[in-house]
Amino acid sequence: LAKTTQPISMDSYEGQEVNITCSHNNIATNDYITWYQQFPSQGPRFIIQGYKTKVTNEVASLFIPADRKSSTLSLPRVSLSDTAVYYCLVGDMEPGGATNKLIFGTGTLLAVQP
Amino acid sequence: DGGITQSPKYLFRKEGQNVTLSCEQNLNHDAMYWYRQDPGQGLRLIYYSQIVNDFQKGDIAEGYSVSREKKESFPLTVTSAQKNPTAFYLCASRPTGLGYGYTFGSGTRLTVV
Repeated sequence: LAKTTQPISMDSYEGQEVNITCSHNNIATNDYITWYQQFPSQGPRFIIQGYKTKVTNEVASLFIPADRKSSTLSLPRVSLSDTAVYYCLVGDMEPGGATNKLIFGTGTLLAVQP
Repeated sequence: DGGITQSPKYLFRKEGQNVTLSCEQNLNHDAMYWYRQDPGQGLRLIYYSQIVNDFQKGDIAEGYSVSREKKESFPLTVTSAQKNPTAFYLCASRPTGLGYGYTFGSGTRLTVV
């Protein structure tokens, strides 16, 4: 299973763009990169998923370089409500794939201040 | 609305007792998962099931048991053999397919008294 490394915590201010980078040096060919957001005492919420290059949805962008050994979650113009733990996960999402399960690390605690 | 329902939200258990946590989904997802989260920690995988009547141990299965008799349901039993069961338990599901993310329930907080 590909291991991920991300900063333990980050600070930001309202209105700023926040970029959280995750390292996954031993990512496998079939692995996708997925990011989740978790508020205290709640289940994680899916944010975005990608395989290569750039993916954008209504809440975030995900940048993946050609070697796929890292990825960056970009949150535009954060607000106080974006204060949460953000998890980067790498896993094989193919049906019956080698892992077919995601391993969560400790995540990055993003603290947004006024 | 489709989703995952975990019950109860809070659960208290006396030492030496077994307790069962409920997880039901109406998303028609094939795979279901149980995670445990301790304060300030990430999620650790207890058990997972990719199909009815089949399940596999995760990283911390000792002291836990599961069943998958129906596609919609994946209950977790915390047995008396689990030495430190106080934690936040999360159930998740996802469809079998390429590139799909997990959907999580709202969790059950179990406290041993």
